[in-house]
Amino acid sequence: DTEVTQTPKHLVMGMTNKKSLKCEQHMGHRAMYWYKQKAKKPPELMFVYSYEKLSINESVPSRFSPECPNSSLLNLHLHALQPEDSALYLCASSPGYGNEKLFFGSGTQLSVL
Amino acid sequence: GESVGLHLPTLSVQEGDNSIINCAYSNSASDYFIWYKQESGKGPQFIIDIRSNMDKRQGQRVTVLLNKTVKHLSLQIAATQPGDSAVYFCAEKEDTGRRALTFGSGTRLQVQP
Repeated sequence: DTEVTQTPKHLVMGMTNKKSLKCEQHMGHRAMYWYKQKAKKPPELMFVYSYEKLSINESVPSRFSPECPNSSLLNLHLHALQPEDSALYLCASSPGYGNEKLFFGSGTQLSVL
Repeated sequence: GESVGLHLPTLSVQEGDNSIINCAYSNSASDYFIWYKQESGKGPQFIIDIRSNMDKRQGQRVTVLLNKTVKHLSLQIAATQPGDSAVYFCAEKEDTGRRALTFGSGTRLQVQP
Protein backbone atom coordinates (compact mmCIF):
# COMPACT_ATOMS: atom_id res chain seq x y z
CA ASP A 1 0.00 0.00 0.00
CA THR A 2 1.70 3.17 -1.20
CA GLU A 3 -1.22 5.51 -0.72
CA VAL A 4 -1.93 8.46 1.45
CA THR A 5 -5.69 8.70 1.93
CA GLN A 6 -7.40 11.98 2.75
CA THR A 7 -11.00 12.54 3.73
CA PRO A 8 -13.20 14.28 2.90
CA LYS A 9 -12.32 15.15 -0.68
CA HIS A 10 -14.43 18.29 -0.57
CA LEU A 11 -15.62 20.36 2.38
CA VAL A 12 -17.75 23.48 2.59
CA MET A 13 -17.98 25.16 5.97
CA GLY A 14 -19.14 28.38 7.51
CA MET A 15 -16.92 30.65 9.52
CA THR A 16 -18.46 29.47 12.81
CA ASN A 17 -18.20 25.75 12.08
CA LYS A 18 -15.78 23.22 13.51
CA LYS A 19 -14.59 20.51 11.16
CA SER A 20 -11.68 18.09 10.84
CA LEU A 21 -9.61 16.85 7.95
CA LYS A 22 -8.24 13.33 8.17
CA CYS A 23 -5.19 11.67 6.66
CA GLU A 24 -4.06 8.05 6.84
CA GLN A 25 -1.05 6.10 5.56
CA HIS A 26 -0.02 2.49 6.03
CA MET A 27 3.48 2.64 4.59
CA GLY A 28 5.15 2.66 8.00
CA HIS A 29 6.25 6.26 7.49
CA ARG A 30 7.20 8.15 10.63
CA ALA A 31 6.88 11.70 9.32
CA MET A 32 3.63 13.30 8.26
CA TYR A 33 2.95 16.74 6.86
CA TRP A 34 0.18 19.23 6.18
CA TYR A 35 0.52 21.55 3.21
CA LYS A 36 -1.83 24.29 2.03
CA GLN A 37 -2.16 25.02 -1.68
CA LYS A 38 -3.97 27.98 -3.19
CA ALA A 39 -5.00 27.89 -6.83
CA LYS A 40 -2.09 28.21 -9.25
CA LYS A 41 0.41 28.33 -6.39
CA PRO A 42 2.88 25.78 -5.02
CA PRO A 43 2.12 23.86 -1.83
CA GLU A 44 3.12 25.71 1.34
CA LEU A 45 4.23 23.80 4.42
CA MET A 46 2.03 24.16 7.50
CA PHE A 47 3.04 21.43 9.96
CA VAL A 48 5.45 18.51 10.24
CA TYR A 49 5.07 15.60 12.65
CA SER A 50 8.00 13.30 13.28
CA TYR A 51 7.41 10.18 15.38
CA GLU A 52 4.03 11.63 16.36
CA LYS A 53 5.59 14.80 17.76
CA LEU A 54 5.13 18.23 16.21
CA SER A 55 8.47 19.20 14.67
CA ILE A 56 7.56 22.23 12.57
CA ASN A 57 4.76 24.76 12.87
CA GLU A 58 5.17 27.34 10.14
CA SER A 59 3.54 30.11 12.17
CA VAL A 60 0.12 28.82 11.24
CA PRO A 61 -2.85 30.62 12.88
CA SER A 62 -4.33 28.83 15.88
CA ARG A 63 -7.62 28.30 14.06
CA PHE A 64 -5.74 25.35 12.48
CA SER A 65 -4.95 22.68 15.05
CA PRO A 66 -3.03 19.55 14.00
CA GLU A 67 -3.18 16.24 15.79
CA CYS A 68 -1.24 13.01 15.28
CA PRO A 69 -3.05 10.25 17.24
CA ASN A 70 -0.65 7.56 16.01
CA SER A 71 1.99 6.96 13.39
CA SER A 72 -0.61 6.22 10.69
CA LEU A 73 -3.06 9.05 11.29
CA LEU A 74 -2.91 12.80 10.99
CA ASN A 75 -5.79 15.18 11.60
CA LEU A 76 -6.24 18.89 11.03
CA HIS A 77 -8.93 20.47 13.19
CA LEU A 78 -10.51 23.62 11.80
CA HIS A 79 -12.35 26.26 13.80
CA ALA A 80 -13.49 29.80 13.03
CA LEU A 81 -11.87 29.83 9.62
CA GLN A 82 -11.88 32.80 7.28
CA PRO A 83 -12.83 32.84 3.58
CA GLU A 84 -9.15 33.34 2.70
CA ASP A 85 -8.45 29.91 4.23
CA SER A 86 -10.23 28.33 1.27
CA ALA A 87 -7.63 26.15 -0.43
CA LEU A 88 -6.55 22.60 -1.18
CA TYR A 89 -5.15 20.98 1.96
CA LEU A 90 -2.61 18.28 1.21
CA CYS A 91 -1.34 15.61 3.54
CA ALA A 92 1.98 13.90 2.87
CA SER A 93 4.18 11.31 4.52
CA SER A 94 7.81 10.22 4.29
CA PRO A 95 9.83 7.43 5.87
CA GLY A 96 11.36 9.91 8.30
CA TYR A 97 11.64 13.64 8.76
CA GLY A 98 14.48 14.85 6.59
CA ASN A 99 13.79 12.04 4.13
CA GLU A 100 12.99 14.10 1.16
CA LYS A 101 10.66 11.99 -0.93
CA LEU A 102 7.17 12.86 0.14
CA PHE A 103 4.13 10.84 -0.78
CA PHE A 104 1.05 13.06 -1.14
CA GLY A 105 -2.63 12.40 -0.78
CA SER A 106 -5.15 13.86 -3.22
CA GLY A 107 -6.08 16.62 -0.83
CA THR A 108 -9.22 18.11 0.64
CA GLN A 109 -10.66 21.04 -1.29
CA LEU A 110 -11.94 23.38 1.40
CA SER A 111 -14.33 26.26 0.83
CA VAL A 112 -15.08 28.65 3.69
CA LEU A 113 -18.22 30.71 3.26
CA GLY B 1 11.74 29.18 -6.68
CA GLU B 2 10.48 32.28 -8.34
CA SER B 3 7.16 33.91 -7.78
CA VAL B 4 5.10 34.26 -10.90
CA GLY B 5 2.09 36.06 -9.50
CA LEU B 6 -1.37 34.85 -10.39
CA HIS B 7 -0.52 33.11 -13.63
CA LEU B 8 1.37 29.88 -14.05
CA PRO B 9 3.94 29.88 -16.83
CA THR B 10 2.68 27.55 -19.54
CA LEU B 11 4.67 25.38 -21.90
CA SER B 12 2.74 24.11 -24.88
CA VAL B 13 4.25 21.28 -26.93
CA GLN B 14 3.15 18.90 -29.64
CA GLU B 15 2.67 15.26 -28.81
CA GLY B 16 5.89 13.40 -29.50
CA ASP B 17 8.14 16.41 -29.01
CA ASN B 18 10.58 16.74 -26.14
CA SER B 19 9.71 19.13 -23.30
CA ILE B 20 12.04 21.11 -21.10
CA ILE B 21 10.76 22.68 -17.90
CA ASN B 22 13.05 25.03 -16.02
CA CYS B 23 13.37 26.02 -12.40
CA ALA B 24 15.60 28.56 -10.69
CA TYR B 25 16.42 28.29 -7.00
CA SER B 26 18.02 30.79 -4.69
CA ASN B 27 19.32 28.82 -1.70
CA SER B 28 22.96 27.89 -2.26
CA ALA B 29 22.72 25.52 0.73
CA SER B 30 20.13 23.34 -0.98
CA ASP B 31 21.54 19.90 -1.58
CA TYR B 32 18.55 17.91 -2.74
CA PHE B 33 16.09 18.64 -5.53
CA ILE B 34 12.94 16.91 -6.65
CA TRP B 35 10.36 17.26 -9.39
CA TYR B 36 6.67 16.65 -8.81
CA LYS B 37 3.81 16.38 -11.30
CA GLN B 38 0.37 17.54 -10.24
CA GLU B 39 -2.68 16.71 -12.29
CA SER B 40 -5.95 18.53 -11.82
CA GLY B 41 -7.73 17.42 -8.65
CA LYS B 42 -4.80 15.34 -7.43
CA GLY B 43 -1.88 15.69 -5.08
CA PRO B 44 1.70 16.08 -6.31
CA GLN B 45 3.24 12.89 -7.65
CA PHE B 46 7.00 12.17 -7.47
CA ILE B 47 8.79 12.15 -10.83
CA ILE B 48 12.53 12.22 -10.23
CA ASP B 49 15.08 13.57 -7.77
CA ILE B 50 18.75 14.53 -7.73
CA ARG B 51 21.37 15.33 -5.12
CA SER B 52 23.80 18.18 -5.36
CA ASN B 53 26.77 15.87 -5.94
CA MET B 54 25.29 14.98 -9.34
CA ASP B 55 24.54 17.10 -12.37
CA LYS B 56 22.33 14.70 -14.30
CA ARG B 57 20.02 11.85 -13.52
CA GLN B 58 17.82 9.86 -15.86
CA GLY B 59 14.59 8.02 -15.34
CA GLN B 60 12.04 6.56 -17.66
CA ARG B 61 11.52 9.24 -20.36
CA VAL B 62 12.64 11.93 -17.90
CA THR B 63 16.00 13.53 -17.20
CA VAL B 64 16.84 16.07 -14.53
CA LEU B 65 19.79 18.42 -15.00
CA LEU B 66 21.30 20.43 -12.17
CA ASN B 67 23.58 23.44 -12.66
CA LYS B 68 24.73 24.53 -9.22
CA THR B 69 26.82 27.37 -10.58
CA VAL B 70 23.78 29.28 -11.79
CA LYS B 71 21.32 27.59 -9.40
CA HIS B 72 19.23 26.12 -12.18
CA LEU B 73 17.32 22.89 -12.45
CA SER B 74 15.56 21.47 -15.50
CA LEU B 75 13.27 18.58 -16.25
CA GLN B 76 13.38 17.05 -19.70
CA ILE B 77 10.53 14.83 -20.86
CA ALA B 78 11.17 12.77 -23.98
CA ALA B 79 8.42 12.02 -26.49
CA THR B 80 5.82 14.00 -24.57
CA GLN B 81 2.40 12.37 -24.34
CA PRO B 82 -1.05 13.81 -23.62
CA GLY B 83 -0.90 12.12 -20.21
CA ASP B 84 2.06 14.34 -19.35
CA SER B 85 -0.21 17.39 -19.31
CA ALA B 86 -0.08 18.69 -15.75
CA VAL B 87 1.54 21.31 -13.53
CA TYR B 88 5.17 20.53 -12.70
CA PHE B 89 6.83 21.77 -9.50
CA CYS B 90 10.46 21.70 -8.52
CA ALA B 91 11.29 21.53 -4.82
CA GLU B 92 14.53 21.89 -2.87
CA LYS B 93 15.84 21.01 0.55
CA GLU B 94 18.83 21.65 2.76
CA ASP B 95 20.48 18.70 4.45
CA THR B 96 20.76 20.59 7.73
CA GLY B 97 18.64 23.10 9.56
CA ARG B 98 15.06 23.25 8.47
CA ARG B 99 15.29 20.16 6.25
CA ALA B 100 11.76 20.58 4.87
CA LEU B 101 10.97 20.67 1.17
CA THR B 102 10.33 24.11 -0.26
CA PHE B 103 8.39 24.17 -3.50
CA GLY B 104 9.13 26.49 -6.36
CA SER B 105 6.44 28.02 -8.51
CA GLY B 106 5.00 25.63 -11.05
CA THR B 107 4.90 25.34 -14.81
CA ARG B 108 1.85 24.10 -16.66
CA LEU B 109 2.64 21.68 -19.47
CA GLN B 110 0.02 21.43 -22.20
CA VAL B 111 0.47 18.68 -24.75
CA GLN B 112 -1.29 19.25 -28.04
CA PRO B 113 -2.39 16.10 -29.88
